[in-house]
Amino acid sequence: SQQGEEDPQALSIQEGENATMNCSYKTSINNLQWYRQNSGRGLVHLILIRSNEREKHSGRLRVTLDTSKKSSSLLITASRAADTASYFCATDKIQGAQKLVFGQGTRLTINP
Amino acid sequence: GAVVSQHPSWVICKSGTSVKIECRSLDFQATTMFWYRQFPKQSLMLMATSNEGSKATYEQGVEKDKFLINHASLTLSTLTVTSAHPEDSSFYICSANRWIGELFFGEGSRLTVL
Repeated sequence: SQQGEEDPQALSIQEGENATMNCSYKTSINNLQWYRQNSGRGLVHLILIRSNEREKHSGRLRVTLDTSKKSSSLLITASRAADTASYFCATDKIQGAQKLVFGQGTRLTINP
Repeated sequence: GAVVSQHPSWVICKSGTSVKIECRSLDFQATTMFWYRQFPKQSLMLMATSNEGSKATYEQGVEKDKFLINHASLTLSTLTVTSAHPEDSSFYICSANRWIGELFFGEGSRLTVL
């Protein structure tokens, strides 16, 4: 079964607006990662947040992690049409093995 | 540039044939690679963990005789879909660890079985 569950499943916003996606998981984790996937392509790693971290930034990306609620959020600020993609969270439960379990993903559409 | 290469990027085959997909780490050695399967508009499902020099570890529900994995060198893992059928049509993606916390994905291989 999938560890991560994202919501919303689909999100459509106007260019320039902020996009927020959420991810929930069920078991204890070591790390949580966010990936991006353009249609029919491989995955691109966006950001990793460790279980002892609460917030992390990378450019226009902001990730939060609340281990008490077993949830994470990905915020993309000042969205661009090129941000249109599917976004997945992934968790690893086994230390060192990098055996990732992916959520269902959020399909983000940025309208110009 | 890409650090994990998959080949072929797409393949069409007849039902009953076998198809081999390669996953290469280009500038690093990967003792562990992972194979995922993705159906349209769905998430990635881990199929198996490919271990260099030893047998792959398959996830529950994945037929090891159907999806043969070989990790003969530190830079190459192969997935062979044996006697492929239309229900095996999917997007297959591999990933490899460069070091702890840094996982790279290939561009994926789209298999269509007629």
